[in-house]
Formats: sequence, structure tokens, C-alpha cells
Amino acid sequence: NAGVMQNPRHLVRRRGQEARLRCSPMKGHSHVYWYRQLPEEGLKFMVYLQKENIIDESGMPKERFSAEFPKEGPSILRIQQVVRGDSAAYFCASSPRGAGTQYFGPGTRLTVL
Amino acid sequence: QQQVKQSPQSLIVQKGGIPIINCAYENTAFDYFPWYQQFPGKGPALLIAIRPDVSEKKEGRFTISFNKSAKQFSLHIMDSQPGDSATYFCAATSNTGNQFYFGTGTSLTVIP
Repeated sequence: NAGVMQNPRHLVRRRGQEARLRCSPMKGHSHVYWYRQLPEEGLKFMVYLQKENIIDESGMPKERFSAEFPKEGPSILRIQQVVRGDSAAYFCASSPRGAGTQYFGPGTRLTVL
Repeated sequence: QQQVKQSPQSLIVQKGGIPIINCAYENTAFDYFPWYQQFPGKGPALLIAIRPDVSEKKEGRFTISFNKSAKQFSLHIMDSQPGDSATYFCAATSNTGNQFYFGTGTSLTVIP
């Protein structure tokens, strides 16, 4: 059973470009969570999604950030007009049910030049 | 507001020592407390978890101690090894909640 997959693993963008991060949950998992981790810091919750629904986006900046989890395909975290402060590791986790054990992917490390 | 408070921020022990990492919470609705281990450049991996109906859980060299009345739980690593050097995160959630609340992490270094 493949684990949570994220791609790309590393992403470099210039200021003002768009970053698109993808997450494929574990097989049978319909709950996806996105976190941001800055160097030497903990995991900051961003958004919780189920298929075709955003359940909780209280941790996501209101501007430039959006997330989706379509009926088919991976969950996508989109950051528009990136700024240097967006440079971080972004982790996706999946769970078979809400508040169930979360299994993390390897992360996408975003660098904004 | 930090829902789960974790200490210490960093910890250095000799091989064979027993590092202890502590976490505290306020929300009495929390009923699931996992610990995650993260190596540099990797995603967090579930290490061990406990529910409040027990006071202790052991898996191999890893033990969680849980004190419901004090709203505290801790991770003990027996006979620590250099390969245990990593960052450890505690977390908490409730069966009716949407989020896991993570501690700020403890960077553990085990010296050979």
C-alpha cells in the first residue's frame, strides 16, 4: 500500500509566480490535511479537506492561498503571487476518517527567489 | 494560542540514556494523543499514540505516560541510540474535532 505521495519534492519559484503543490492520499483515505513548516518550527495547520469539500480552512491565509480536493485526482494547494515568506516545507497528511490518525507525505520544499 | 505546549525545545543525551519529552494541553475534549518522529528532509512519521483510558503505553523502546488529571503526557525513549536523533512532535485531537494540534517539536540528539 503506497503511502501519501507529494510532488514535486522541491519547487523553486520567483516572486510573483504561482506554486502548485500536489498530494495523493493513501489508498482508501478521503481526508486530507495541509501543513506548513518553517525551519526549526513546528507544523502549522492550514486546511482540512474531504473529497470536493473544504471542511476547515482556518489556518490558511485569506489571500493568495487556495486548496482543493476534487472527486478525481490529487489534492492541490495553490499559492498565487508567491513571496519570499512563503518559502517553507509544505506537508500533506491523509486519514481514513476525520480526526483519525494522520499519515504524512514526504513534503514539498518551496523556495521563493 | 498554542493548544499543545511541548518542552524542551532541544535535548542532548548520551547513548543509552532516557530522554523525556513533555507535552501539556488544556482542552479536556482531546482524546487522542499521538507522537510523531521526523528526520531531516522527511515527513513526520507516527511513532506511538495513546488514548486517555490508559496511563501508559509501550511500543518497543518508546513509552507514553499519560496523566489525565494534570492534562500532561510524555514520551520516554529507553536505551536511546544515535539513530533516534530526530525531531519529535506531540499532538492532540478530539473525536469530534477537525484538527490535530501539534506541539512545537523537540530536537533530540543522542551522542554515541
